[in-house]
Amino acid sequence: AQKITQTQPGMFVQEKEAVTLDCTYDTSDPSYGLFWYKQPSSGEMIFLIYQGSYDQQNATEGRYSLNFQKARKSANLVISASQLGDSAMYFCAMREGSAGGYQKVTFGTGTKLQVIP
Amino acid sequence: KAGVTQTPRYLIKTRGQQVTLSCSPISGHRSVSWYQQTPGQGLQFLFEYFSETQRNKGNFPGRFSGRQFSNSRSEMNVSTLELGDSALYLCASSLNRDRYEQYFGPGTRLTVT
Repeated sequence: AQKITQTQPGMFVQEKEAVTLDCTYDTSDPSYGLFWYKQPSSGEMIFLIYQGSYDQQNATEGRYSLNFQKARKSANLVISASQLGDSAMYFCAMREGSAGGYQKVTFGTGTKLQVIP
Repeated sequence: KAGVTQTPRYLIKTRGQQVTLSCSPISGHRSVSWYQQTPGQGLQFLFEYFSETQRNKGNFPGRFSGRQFSNSRSEMNVSTLELGDSALYLCASSLNRDRYEQYFGPGTRLTVT
């Protein structure tokens, strides 16, 4: 089974609208972290947001929020008020394991978001 | 504060050669991770170093190795290069290992001919 699944290879959104990028994960480890990265066409990976498995509240960072549904094993990224500069590849990733021990990191295949003026 | 730097940015090598890539993390960051990104396989974790010790390793052959120095700078070495090693190699640093907020460098684009 895929550890991280991003089912939307590509998406379009109108400028100023909100958009949700889907991510589901699979792990039996009680301690894990989920995060999202943005990769513009320039290639550099940009950290957006992080959610720990024990965090009670959904993570938010400016226009980005993570809709964490633990029972459903989903960690969807919500971008509010889309901007043209949001056009990029978006990767969901998971870190399994504890800080003091072995950790494993897995990335999803990505979703290409295009913002339409 | 300066970001993560990687050198060289572009590299062309021939099959059978070896290559060393360098990564300087953000000042104060102690964890450095390496990733390989290809169109076919996506982003794959290579290894992580923390306090000069390799903490994790992905599913790559022994031709891929790395090390971390006392100043947290890290190098990655690939020996006996194969055509399939052509990829973007990304280095990421983080302050510590628990929140894993990683900051990526621009990458080294390796082409093996």
